[in-house]
Amino acid sequence: LAKTTQPISMDSYEGQEVNITCSHNNIATNDYITWYQQFPSQGPRFIIQGYKTKVTNEVASLFIPADRKSSTLSLPRVSLSDTAVYYCLVGPSGGGFKTIFGAGTRLFVKA
Amino acid sequence: EPEVTQTPSHQVTQMGQEVILRCVPISNHLYFYWYRQILGQKVEFLVSFYNNEISEKSEIFDDQFSVERPDGSNFTLKIRSTKLEDSAMYFCASRGRGITGELFFGEGSRLTVL
Repeated sequence: LAKTTQPISMDSYEGQEVNITCSHNNIATNDYITWYQQFPSQGPRFIIQGYKTKVTNEVASLFIPADRKSSTLSLPRVSLSDTAVYYCLVGPSGGGFKTIFGAGTRLFVKA
Repeated sequence: EPEVTQTPSHQVTQMGQEVILRCVPISNHLYFYWYRQILGQKVEFLVSFYNNEISEKSEIFDDQFSVERPDGSNFTLKIRSTKLEDSAMYFCASRGRGITGELFFGEGSRLTVL
C-alpha cells in the first residue's frame, strides 16, 4: 500500500481557497487517489477521487500532476463548516479490502 | 439517501465484559468494514468482510474480536472481553461495486470501558 504524507494541520479564513497537498511517492500504476472528510464524532465521508490530471465535483477539485507522486485537494471559498480532518488515500480502484487512513490534515477555518 | 446505521450510539461497559456493536449496511452493498478511532487519533482499520468471510484484518483485530453477518442485513462486531484500551469510537462502513470504491460510514458507536 502506498504511503501518504500530508501536513498535520492548516488554518484558513472564511471565503479563502484552501489547497491541501498529499505526497505519495510510491503510488502504483493501478492506484487511485481518494480524499475523505471527517467532522468530529462522525465517520469519514468521501469527497473526491481521481487518477490523473484534474477532477472537479460540486464540493472540491483534485489536481494530480503527470508523475502522480502528489495530489492537491482544492476547496473553493471555505466556510466555518469546512473545519474538519481531510484524509488522502491511495489504493486500487474499487477500494480493495484494506482501505487505510493516515493521520490526515486538520483544517481550521476561522471567521 | 441510503445510509449505514449503527447501534448503540454509546455504550458504557465494565472491563472484561462482552460487547456487541451492530451495523446495518446499505442494502445492496457487498463489502463491509469495521474501523475504530481512539479519541484524538486516526481512523484505524480493523477488518473487512466479503462473501460471508473475513477478507482482511489488521493486527488490532486479535482473538478478542469477531465479526458476523447473522441474517443478511446486520453486520456485528463482538469484543469478547473488553479492555480499557478498547475505549474508542467504532465505525462500520460498507461499499458497493461502484468504480470509486467509496466507503459509506455510519455515525459510529462510542464504547467506553471502565
